[in-house]
Amino acid sequence: GENVEQHPSTLSVQEGDSAVIKCTYSDSASNYFPWYKQELGKRPQLIIDIRSNVGEKKDQRIAVTLNKTAKHFSLHITETQPEDSAVYFCAARRGHSSASKIIFGSGTRLSIRP
Amino acid sequence: NAGVTQTPKFQVLKTGQSMTLQCAQDMNHNSMYWYRQDPGMGLRLIYYSASEGTTDKGEVPNGYNVSRLNKREFSLRLESAAPSQTSVYFCASSPRQDSSYNEQFFGPGTRLTVL
Repeated sequence: GENVEQHPSTLSVQEGDSAVIKCTYSDSASNYFPWYKQELGKRPQLIIDIRSNVGEKKDQRIAVTLNKTAKHFSLHITETQPEDSAVYFCAARRGHSSASKIIFGSGTRLSIRP
Repeated sequence: NAGVTQTPKFQVLKTGQSMTLQCAQDMNHNSMYWYRQDPGMGLRLIYYSASEGTTDKGEVPNGYNVSRLNKREFSLRLESAAPSQTSVYFCASSPRQDSSYNEQFFGPGTRLTVL
C-alpha cells in the first residue's frame, strides 16, 4: 500500500521568509497529491493540490512541486505571515477507483516568528 | 449549508463502554470517511464509504464498525472502548471517490477520551 513520509515535523521561520515542507511517497501509481492546512483546534482544509500530469502549481503565495521520478512533492510558502502558522499535511492517492484511498503524512507544525 | 457536522464534540468513556459517533453532510456527496488523529501520526483512515450502501476498511479498522445509514449519514461505532482509542475523530466527505476531483471536506471533530 501507499506510504507517505513528511519532513520536517516542526518548522519555525521568520515572518516574511519562505517555508518548504517535503513529502515522499512509495507507490509510483499515485497520481493525486493534496495539501491540507489545520489551524489550532480546527478542522483540516484543502489549500492546494496537484495531479501527476503537471510538475508545478501555484496559488498566490503557495506553490506545490512534484517530481514523479523521485517520488517526492513539496509545499512552498513565500512571504510567510502570522496566519500561516498551522499544521500542514501532505497526502497521496493512487488511482481514481472507488477503492482508492488518500493516505496522509504525519504533519508539519509551522510557526511564524514575528 | 452546514457542510459536515459531527456529534458529540467531546466524550469521555470508561474502558469497555460502547458509543456511536454521528456524522452528517448536506452537500450531496457520495463518499464519506472516518479518520482518527493522534499526535505525530497525522490523519489515519479508519473506514470509508465510496457510495451509499458500501463500506470498506481503511488503515486502522480494528475495534470499529461503521454504518452508512443513507447518503447523508455515516456513523462510527466503538463496541468496547479501549484507552488506545483515545483520539480526535474526524468525519469527512467528498463528491465522488472515483473522481479526479476529490477534495475532502472535514467535520469539526470529536475529542474522545477513554479512561
